[in-house]
Amino acid sequence: ELKVEQNPLFLSMQEGKNYTIYCNYSTTSDRLYWYRQDPGKSLESLFVLLSNGAVKQEGRLMASLDTKARLSTLHITAAVHDLSATYFCAVDMSGTASKLTFGTGTRLQVTL
Amino acid sequence: ETGVTQSPTHLIKTRGQQVTLRCSSQSGHNTVSWYQQALGQGPQFIFQYYREEENGRGNFPPRFSGLQFPNYSSELNVNALELDDSALYLCASSPTRGRGTEAFFGQGTRLTVV
Repeated sequence: ELKVEQNPLFLSMQEGKNYTIYCNYSTTSDRLYWYRQDPGKSLESLFVLLSNGAVKQEGRLMASLDTKARLSTLHITAAVHDLSATYFCAVDMSGTASKLTFGTGTRLQVTL
Repeated sequence: ETGVTQSPTHLIKTRGQQVTLRCSSQSGHNTVSWYQQALGQGPQFIFQYYREEENGRGNFPPRFSGLQFPNYSSELNVNALELDDSALYLCASSPTRGRGTEAFFGQGTRLTVV
């Protein structure tokens, strides 16, 4: 059974600081997704990582995938309050993004 | 906006009742998946429909059932509701094939069972 774990589960950081969220998974896959969720809202797609060594960046967020280590990271650079949300990684074993196994989520709180 | 719409947005049901949730997939997407997200947890895969047939199921009992229609819209039915069924139910649509395939989520239906 595929297991996806994230750490930390909760992260409180000051504006301007850098930090990394880790996503470990138990079964080989080369398709990993990162989503953002605001309280009471749905999931917003952030990144789609489709191969070993894939790196994608959007604004202050950068995601990478190491399929050999079964590890993905979401790096936050110079955090701002607007980044406060819960972040989920999800692993796809179907090849069609239609059967995702989500991680536990990391709740990020950026304080002034 | 993703183009995936769900209805209703909120509803309250009594334990033992039945509920039907609806999802309209994004144009051109023929695969619909349903997820249950309990408070404070990550979404859990319920099942997937492709071309009107169930094509994969997570660890959910048979009282969770679904349908997909020729226009690729979908329904999630839950019978004999239990208090633990209270959750945000998310529908996601995706195309069948291709690298870069991505799932797009609807806004969700918040179900409260009392």
